[in-house]
Amino acid sequence: GQQVMQIPQYQHVQEGEDFTTYCNSSTTLSNIQWYKQRPGGHPVFLIQLVKSGEVKKQKRLTFQFGEAKKNSSLHITATQTTDVGTYFCAGRTGGSYIPTFGRGTSLIVHP
Amino acid sequence: NAGVTQTPKFRVLKTGQSMTLLCAQDMNHEYMYWYRQDPGMGLRLIHYSVGEGTTAKGEVPDGYNVSRLKKQNFLLGLESAAPSQTSVYFCASSPTGLGSITGYTFGSGTRLTVV
Repeated sequence: GQQVMQIPQYQHVQEGEDFTTYCNSSTTLSNIQWYKQRPGGHPVFLIQLVKSGEVKKQKRLTFQFGEAKKNSSLHITATQTTDVGTYFCAGRTGGSYIPTFGRGTSLIVHP
Repeated sequence: NAGVTQTPKFRVLKTGQSMTLLCAQDMNHEYMYWYRQDPGMGLRLIHYSVGEGTTAKGEVPDGYNVSRLKKQNFLLGLESAAPSQTSVYFCASSPTGLGSITGYTFGSGTRLTVV
């Protein structure tokens, strides 16, 4: 079945450093979504990417969808303590209504 | 709008007891989902529904049952709780299953401990 691998599992950074999490699929994806979950909270939708090579920005966050639509990345510039949490990707193939979630990358920001 | 509301928020069960988790959404979404989240395992789909009166199995359905008698409600039942079902349970909804610019809307979760 479809697998979505997300790396790294954990990332410690000093406040102000950049952060990137990667999402890789074994199959071509129709779209990919990104979510953020604060400690003790629930996942909150950030963005959806659909087009090959698509790049979207939300303030300090940059989301990319690979040319082959098999990988995606989330990059945070100059992390802040408010960025702490777990970031999940969720990818959907053309044949399924249900996306597959990656296991998430937990970001720890040290002040 | 309240979005997705889950009850209860916390529960402790003894092995063998049964319980029902309730999820209610007020966004007129067609699709609803139940996930469990365990440390290091991400979100695993238990069951889902593509509309009122429909249900389907997800990745980890064993030991759970669901019902979607009304469009706005999606119930998750544990018939005979086991310690392996200790987890955080999230309900989510979406307008369609084809991908939406609004993504999934998640409830705040139910923390279940089975002793």
